[in-house]
Amino acid sequence: DIQMTQSPSFLSASVGDRVTINCKASQNINRYLNWYQQKLGEAPKLLIYNANSLQTGIPSRFSGSGSGTDFTLTISSLQPEDVATYFCLQHNSWPNTFGAGTKLELK
Amino acid sequence: EVQLVESGGGLVQPGRSLKLSCAASGFTFSNYYMAWVRQAPKKGLEWVATISTSGSRTYYPDSVKGRFTISRDNAKSSLYLQMNSLKSEDTATYYCARHDDYWGQGVMVTVSS
Repeated sequence: DIQMTQSPSFLSASVGDRVTINCKASQNINRYLNWYQQKLGEAPKLLIYNANSLQTGIPSRFSGSGSGTDFTLTISSLQPEDVATYFCLQHNSWPNTFGAGTKLELK
Repeated sequence: EVQLVESGGGLVQPGRSLKLSCAASGFTFSNYYMAWVRQAPKKGLEWVATISTSGSRTYYPDSVKGRFTISRDNAKSSLYLQMNSLKSEDTATYYCARHDDYWGQGVMVTVSS
């Protein structure tokens, strides 16, 4: 199985900060990497698919980059409503595997 | 609006069975691969099963292969997960997912004596 190493596991930032979260795959996954946001008690929400495509309805402050084994989710200007856990998913090879998650809080 | 509503969760003893259901609406169900994903308490996410549009192809990780069966009824826009020989490590919130984009709210399954 492909291992997804996500970092950091915890992140504290201020409103307006630029925030970056990383995922590293144990082998090449091309661009088959999604990013999700999960708020407490809610279903996960797709933010970015195929590494850099913004899901419909997601604010443009969210962006994704990377290919191969290294990927990044960037929030250009952190907003209070962005407090959540973020995780990545590789869907290049079965079984699909997730990163362990990054819990983002406001400083 | 895409809606996925899971049901059928609850408390079950180890070794017993449970069947989860997912009612889909707001999209053409038969056009999409569907999946089940689970999240154990305070743990990460695990992709449990995927089924093709017709139901002819299914995929499972080793952790559930031979115990779990995913199925679908396109006429009813419904997805199912039959879970047999349940173990304590199967305790989790189970999410129904439209391929890899929309997820339901989840249903809790607790395996305990």
